[in-house]
Amino acid sequence: QVQLVESGGGVVQPGRSLRLSCAASGFTFNNYGMHWVRQAPGKGLEWVAVISYDGNLKYYGDSVTGRVTISRDNSKNTLYLRMNSLRTEDTAVYYCAREDSKVFAGVAMYYFDFWGQGTLVTVSS
Amino acid sequence: EIVLTQSPGTLSLSPGERATLSCRASQGVSSSYLAWYQQKPGQAPRLLIYGASSRATGIPDRFRGSGSGTDFTLTISRLEPEDFAVYYCQQYGNSPASIFGGGTKVEIK
Repeated sequence: QVQLVESGGGVVQPGRSLRLSCAASGFTFNNYGMHWVRQAPGKGLEWVAVISYDGNLKYYGDSVTGRVTISRDNSKNTLYLRMNSLRTEDTAVYYCAREDSKVFAGVAMYYFDFWGQGTLVTVSS
Repeated sequence: EIVLTQSPGTLSLSPGERATLSCRASQGVSSSYLAWYQQKPGQAPRLLIYGASSRATGIPDRFRGSGSGTDFTLTISRLEPEDFAVYYCQQYGNSPASIFGGGTKVEIK
């Protein structure tokens, strides 16, 4: 069965760095684009970043651009999120999610079909 | 940039009642790129609907998605106790970035 397991969260001071990991199993990892989505305490979902199946294409949300790097190691079935210059507003549960798609009548429909359980990042002095 | 506005913010209903959740886009969205997720406290989001109206694997048929253009709806025909949760709409597919609505909480009245 598909499993996504995040790790690497914790308490970190403002301005410091952190690397999150997402270990994937149960599917052919290098066939899928992957995303990071975060959720601040008591708030809604915020998309953070996406990486293509081969790692060649990466895009970031406006609130993290320039401070975050998404990467993947397909030999290890692992997705990463490197976060630098952390701010208190980066405090959130960070989820990794698998992107999938279906084609119907020649039109592709995209969605996030599997999510990890999340890892909590707390930025505080 | 597209903004997704969900309403109401909170829906107070009793088990067995019908829930109607709205997701309005600031500009037209292809139905192919509209999805709905359910999130319960302490859990990750779960995919319910993709392509505006297609149910994901294992989702009961009391969940129905509909709509087009700028107005999309998630209807839960008869609320079961396990359906009380927060629901998010999402737009993804016409650009690399994904956008989520602010969510609607369905609570027990």
